[in-house]
Amino acid sequence: DTGVSQDPRHKITKRGQNVTFRCDPISEHNRLYWYRQTLGQGPEFLTYFQNEAQLEKSRLLSDRFSAERPKGSFSTLEIQRTEQGDSAMYLCASSLGQDSYEQYFGPGTRLTVT
Amino acid sequence: GNSVTQMEGPVTLSEEAFLTINCTYTATGYPSLFWYVQYPGEGLQLLLKATKADDKGSNKGFEATYRKETTSFHLEKGSVQVSDSAVYFCALGGEYNNNDMRFGAGTRLTVKP
Repeated sequence: DTGVSQDPRHKITKRGQNVTFRCDPISEHNRLYWYRQTLGQGPEFLTYFQNEAQLEKSRLLSDRFSAERPKGSFSTLEIQRTEQGDSAMYLCASSLGQDSYEQYFGPGTRLTVT
Repeated sequence: GNSVTQMEGPVTLSEEAFLTINCTYTATGYPSLFWYVQYPGEGLQLLLKATKADDKGSNKGFEATYRKETTSFHLEKGSVQVSDSAVYFCALGGEYNNNDMRFGAGTRLTVKP
């Protein structure tokens, strides 16, 4: 068990560019979550998947944000037309089971928009 | 909606001191409550949880009790160690399920030898 992995760990992009982040959950976990964390704050829930189904996406920050989990394994989070305010740490977590309370977090992808 | 407010940091203690980090919540229904910890250079990890009123979560010498009457879930440890230096986050499940987690802003703890 290698834990939740995220790629890249750091991303620097220019305003207006699109970025995509990848998350690989723990292999047997069927639920996958995306969060955003800004400096000095706790993680902010964005969306989650159960297998390939995206069950909650109303908390995505704008229509520039989208997430996919096409085969129920890894997931991608895309931000289109990045803005400086998108600079943050993007965290992925996974969990097992319908009522699992324990989410295992990855190390995060730090995005800097210049 | 559901939310948590936790004690602002940073908190600096000497080794073997008693630790309390306050956390209060506002919630619809009866969500589960959690404490997560983030050690330097590492990802968030679950420290302890409580799923209903009066439950006590405990792990690694840390404890927290789900108090419905005071809407609190304070984190305590009787004797902190240098290795407990980290950022601690209080969290609760959302209005409908525990997948929609709400986190506090975090409290940074530094323990000095």
